[in-house]
Amino acid sequence: QSVLTQPPSASGTPGQRVTISCSGSSSNIGSNYVYWYQQLPGTAPKLLIYRNNQRPSGVPDRFSGSKSGTSASLAISGLRSEDEADYYCAAWDDSLSALFGGGTKLTVL
Amino acid sequence: QLQLQESGPGLVKPSETLSLTCTVSGGSISSSSYYWGWIRQPPGKGLEWIGSIYYSGSTYYNPSLKSRVTISVDTSKNQFSLKLSSVTAADTAVYYCARHPMVVAWFDPWGQGTLVTVSS
Repeated sequence: QSVLTQPPSASGTPGQRVTISCSGSSSNIGSNYVYWYQQLPGTAPKLLIYRNNQRPSGVPDRFSGSKSGTSASLAISGLRSEDEADYYCAAWDDSLSALFGGGTKLTVL
Repeated sequence: QLQLQESGPGLVKPSETLSLTCTVSGGSISSSSYYWGWIRQPPGKGLEWIGSIYYSGSTYYNPSLKSRVTISVDTSKNQFSLKLSSVTAADTAVYYCARHPMVVAWFDPWGQGTLVTVSS
């Protein structure tokens, strides 16, 4: 059981906006930056969002991140079929450990 | 462009020690401010951080694995390594290496990953 809690699944139709939540505590999300990773089938995770809401170059602005207190969210607007993937949140914990959420499988209907 | 590549046996017997190496190319493992980490993913499951090392040898380990994990670095070869002892079937996973800043969960880039199966 992961310390960062994500819904196991999410879905949407092309063009829709979907959000994925990530819940933690004061020792991780509450006091450190949140990062989001996208894992396409059969590939290594790829950094999607850093420092809560920043996009690396090459990541479409359809992807956005936010954080409030001990929770964070990833939003994907204008959903596309190629967005079908697993999404993970991550944060450092003050106990000197890196934590990942359990992952959310996004299905594009 | 920094690249990481995992290598090691794909099959390990129960109770033995799993050993993997991550080779860094396109940059120096001795870069200041960066740690080098290991993350694993059991088949069909989520990501689990195993531990990380600085080029000086300073390490952080996942408390749940700490008793069985040793991470080391060889700056002359631009490599860092993972040893996980007393493995069981539960240690079967794809093992990734990745770079991250100190005490930050910013893992980038990642290696392609290597599947290690624990079986007799």
